[in-house]
Amino acid sequence: EIVLTQSPGTLSLSPGERATLSCRASQSVSSSYLAWYQQKPGQAPRLLIYGASSRATGIPDRFSGSGSETDFTLTISRLEPEDFAVYYCQQYRSSARTFGQGTKVEIK
Amino acid sequence: EVQLVESGGGLVQPGGSLRLSCAASGFTFSNYAMSWVRQAPGKGLEWVSGLGGGGGSTSYADSVRGRFTISRDNSKNTLYLQMNSLRAEDTAVYYCAKEALMVRGPIDYWGQGTLVTVSS
Repeated sequence: EIVLTQSPGTLSLSPGERATLSCRASQSVSSSYLAWYQQKPGQAPRLLIYGASSRATGIPDRFSGSGSETDFTLTISRLEPEDFAVYYCQQYRSSARTFGQGTKVEIK
Repeated sequence: EVQLVESGGGLVQPGGSLRLSCAASGFTFSNYAMSWVRQAPGKGLEWVSGLGGGGGSTSYADSVRGRFTISRDNSKNTLYLQMNSLRAEDTAVYYCAKEALMVRGPIDYWGQGTLVTVSS
């Protein structure tokens, strides 16, 4: 099983600030099979980024993804009020998909 | 418009069984891999099981292998999850999820989830 470890667990920032979230894999997932999701309370997750760096349909360009092999980053360039949420990375390289444990981005 | 509607959740005793269903619409169901993802109360997402578009390729998380069975009926556009030998730690909201490709892709659509509670 590929284990994904996200850091930090919680990020306390103000609107307008830059957010940098990390996801590290226990083995290579290449750059083709890593996705990021956003989840708000009481809602299903929403796909933000796939293939490590491609934005999903309708996702604002303040969201960007980067990385390869085992180290990946989600960057939110300028936080908007609606961006405060929990973010998960997921690998789909292995037939047994796995998620990271999540990073909560909260208002400072 | 893609829609995924789960049903079959509820309260079940430890050791019991439950079958979840997911009715899909708005896309050619047989062309896409599907997954079940769960979320225990106040916890993160856990991928549970997945199935290729043709239905021949199944996979499971270690935590449910041997107890849960995923299947699909492409003629009914429906995904299933048969859950046996349920444990308290299986308590969660179970999401039906569509992958973006037939074999391997990110999850591009999610249902709203159905709650499974395992308790005596």
